[in-house]
Amino acid sequence: NFMLTQPHSVSESPGKTVTISCSRSSGSIATNYVQWYQQRPGRPPTSLIYEDDHRVSGVPDRFSGSIDSSSNSASLTISALKPEDEADYYCQSYDRTYWVFGGGTKLTVL
Amino acid sequence: QLQLRESGPGLVRPSETLSLTCNVSGGSISSGSYFYTWIRQSPGKGLEWIGSRYYTGGTYYNPSLKSRVTISVDTSNNQFSLILRSVTAADTAIYYCARGLDYEVDSWGQGALVTVSS
Repeated sequence: NFMLTQPHSVSESPGKTVTISCSRSSGSIATNYVQWYQQRPGRPPTSLIYEDDHRVSGVPDRFSGSIDSSSNSASLTISALKPEDEADYYCQSYDRTYWVFGGGTKLTVL
Repeated sequence: QLQLRESGPGLVRPSETLSLTCNVSGGSISSGSYFYTWIRQSPGKGLEWIGSRYYTGGTYYNPSLKSRVTISVDTSNNQFSLILRSVTAADTAIYYCARGLDYEVDSWGQGALVTVSS
């Protein structure tokens, strides 16, 4: 089994760009697709990215996903940050048929 | 627009069985190649996958919960259910149901808080 490790928190100013990493502990990050979810305080999660880099319908193109085999990690990049982007972000992948979530990253937009 | 809504008791006694239902409206649960899944979130914690049921009939569970969990689909009532047996305080969480296609989760329920306490 593998784990997905995310930074506990990140912060950035409005209008800037932030990248949230998701590191896979074992096995190749390219083996199984990575998804990203956003969860605002007191709200259910919503889907942002699926299959590594596909935006869910309706998600602004300020949000993008990628994977990097050299660092064995996935990344979520949010550009032109807005105050409403302040939320928790979770990466998720699969270990065969089992879902694995990262621990989540709290994004603060200063 | 598909909507999912969780329902069930908000309080369950320790050692008893937690039972939740996810009612699906705006679409048939028996159509398409969807998967239906349960995810939970303990207070102040991250997301934890409980299990998923695929259109093929295959059902997969979190290994840490597998011995206590059952997910089933009721096509006649357009809903799917979660049963978690022998609960403890550690099972206190918000339980979310969701639907997806391939690797995309396209619909989420609002969540149901279940507290395990005597």
